[in-house]
Amino acid sequence: DARVTQTPRDKVTEMGQEVTMRCQPILGHNTVFWYRQTMMQGLELLAYFRNRAPLDDSGMPKDRFSAEMPDATLATLKIQPSEPRDSAVYFCASGLMSLTATSTDTQYFGPGTRLTVL
Amino acid sequence: EDKVVQSPLSLVVHEGDTVTLNCSYEVTNFRSLLWYKQEKKAPTFLFMLTSSGIEKKSGRLSSILDKKELFSILNITATQTGDSAVYLCACSMGAQKLVFGQGTRLTINP
Repeated sequence: DARVTQTPRDKVTEMGQEVTMRCQPILGHNTVFWYRQTMMQGLELLAYFRNRAPLDDSGMPKDRFSAEMPDATLATLKIQPSEPRDSAVYFCASGLMSLTATSTDTQYFGPGTRLTVL
Repeated sequence: EDKVVQSPLSLVVHEGDTVTLNCSYEVTNFRSLLWYKQEKKAPTFLFMLTSSGIEKKSGRLSSILDKKELFSILNITATQTGDSAVYLCACSMGAQKLVFGQGTRLTINP
């Protein structure tokens, strides 16, 4: 049963510390998305990659957030320095996307990383 | 600005009732509309709709899309306590980005 995996599942840190979240997409999927979910804002897209290339990171605060995909099996989201307002659940999702086939629009979500910045 | 709006935001019903959740959208380069169910953690995929008027069905859940009026509904019949969750509607756009609605929190009381 192929699944998206994320680590860590929970992270508590102090303001100013660096936080790195990791995601392993479903094998064979070519597109990886990072979302943030809060009660106030709901699910927001932060960034996404296709075939490891960044396509859009306009949802991300660029001064402190960075997203990379060093290889096809690993995506990372880093926050440095972290702030209390970054507290949220961060989801990674993956999909096998094709611009010509809408049948591939489905994204599959990982379990999320619950981040608390004190 | 691309927008997906769900209603109601919250709904409480008794087990056995039928519920209808609504999703309206205004997005550029619309490709498809997706419904997800979110319980404790990750959203899980329910349906993807691309064509108007064609109902998708899975057990007690069904959904339909109206591309002229720009909305979709998700129906759940004979609700059970296990249906309690947040139901999310999302639109896939030209770049295959998903824009999510704020969700409907459904509570089924025994």
